[in-house]
Amino acid sequence: DAGVTQSPTHLIKTRGQQVTLRCSPISGHKSVSWYQQVLGQGPQFIFQYYEKEERGRGNFPDRFSARQFPNYSSELNVNALLLGDSALYLCATAGFVNTEAFFGQGTRLTVV
Amino acid sequence: GENVEQHPSTLSVQEGDSAVIKCTYSDSASNYFPWYKQELGKRPQLIIDIRSNVGEKKDQRIAVTLNKTAKHFSLHITETQPEDSAVYFCAASITGGATNKLIFGTGTLLAVQP
Repeated sequence: DAGVTQSPTHLIKTRGQQVTLRCSPISGHKSVSWYQQVLGQGPQFIFQYYEKEERGRGNFPDRFSARQFPNYSSELNVNALLLGDSALYLCATAGFVNTEAFFGQGTRLTVV
Repeated sequence: GENVEQHPSTLSVQEGDSAVIKCTYSDSASNYFPWYKQELGKRPQLIIDIRSNVGEKKDQRIAVTLNKTAKHFSLHITETQPEDSAVYFCAASITGGATNKLIFGTGTLLAVQP
């Protein structure tokens, strides 16, 4: 049974560019959450989607947006990249909106 | 706002000793407390969790305790082994509502010396 998969695994972007990160949930999981983990810190909640609707939003600027597709996969978009956006972006999926979450391996984004 | 404090930030123990990591949460509505182990460059992996209707939970060498009154919860690892070396994160969440947002602590780097 496949786990949570994220793509790409690594990415290098230039300041001001835009980036799209992708997440495929465990089969049957309808909830997808996104977290940002800066080096040396704990993951910070960005968004949660359940059944294609936004269920939660963390304290991140409007440059960050996300969506969930009919097959429950999700994309995280970040516009006008800043150096401070360099981080590991983690996707976590769950069967329902309020059950245990499983993390993907993350996308390492480096902004130069 | 919601906050989880975690201590210590680093912990070094000898193989076979016990390790204890402590967390304090701010939101009294929190009712789900997972612990994650994250090895260098890898994803956080759930190792144990506890819900607010339980005071203690054990799984082999790992145990978690919860004190709802004090808003404290702790991870206990006994008979530590070198492969226990990793960063450990506590988290708090409010389940049963519209979201399962996790609020993470700042992490504890555990080093088990052989």
